[in-house]
Amino acid sequence: DTEVTQTPKHLVMGMTNKKSLKCEQHMGHRAMYWYKQKAKKPPELMFVYSYEKLSINESVPSRFSPECPNSSLLNLHLHALQPEDSALYLCASSPFGTVNTEAFFGQGTRLTVV
Amino acid sequence: GENVEQHPSTLSVQEGDSAVIKCTYSDSASNYFPWYKQELGKRPQLIIDIRSNVGEKKDQRIAVTLNKTAKHFSLHITETQPEDSAVYFCAARGTGNQFYFGTGTSLTVIP
Repeated sequence: DTEVTQTPKHLVMGMTNKKSLKCEQHMGHRAMYWYKQKAKKPPELMFVYSYEKLSINESVPSRFSPECPNSSLLNLHLHALQPEDSALYLCASSPFGTVNTEAFFGQGTRLTVV
Repeated sequence: GENVEQHPSTLSVQEGDSAVIKCTYSDSASNYFPWYKQELGKRPQLIIDIRSNVGEKKDQRIAVTLNKTAKHFSLHITETQPEDSAVYFCAARGTGNQFYFGTGTSLTVIP
């Protein structure tokens, strides 16, 4: 299995809602990432988990709360989002450490905040 | 953190011509440089990569070169085809296992 699977594919939420994005991989990768991508822009790093521990938080607002419950799963909990948070949210994974291989991306969750 | 710059932002070429995209990075500790292709509405997908101990790598019509001293790397696509039309991103992998992306190049191959 060489896939990173994200659910849901699309999500519309109000500014007072709480929702979660889910990401799963079974490649044994111990680094997992959340990226945010706006239209016509590059993926922007949000969080990095290494061995299920948060290792990098790129100064992301607290309305985004990541969670890594085990080595295969990564969640992104959303609360009190703003319309400007509407974007494609990409999960990725890669092997950890000195092995230089790429990040494998999921197909993304297209989030619309209304 | 790492800062990756990418040029040009848009590129139009005639089918069969070559396309070149250039990137620079700031962190000399970065050690791995993948290139991703992203078609509209789809995920980024790796097309080629290069490690910091290699100067050049080729895969059929695609090649990447790396100049570690100057901290820049380039993507070369030869004999371009309409299906090469997409957005291309360079990236650099930092010591914290993170990937930082360049600003992207929208490539259009004109039949």
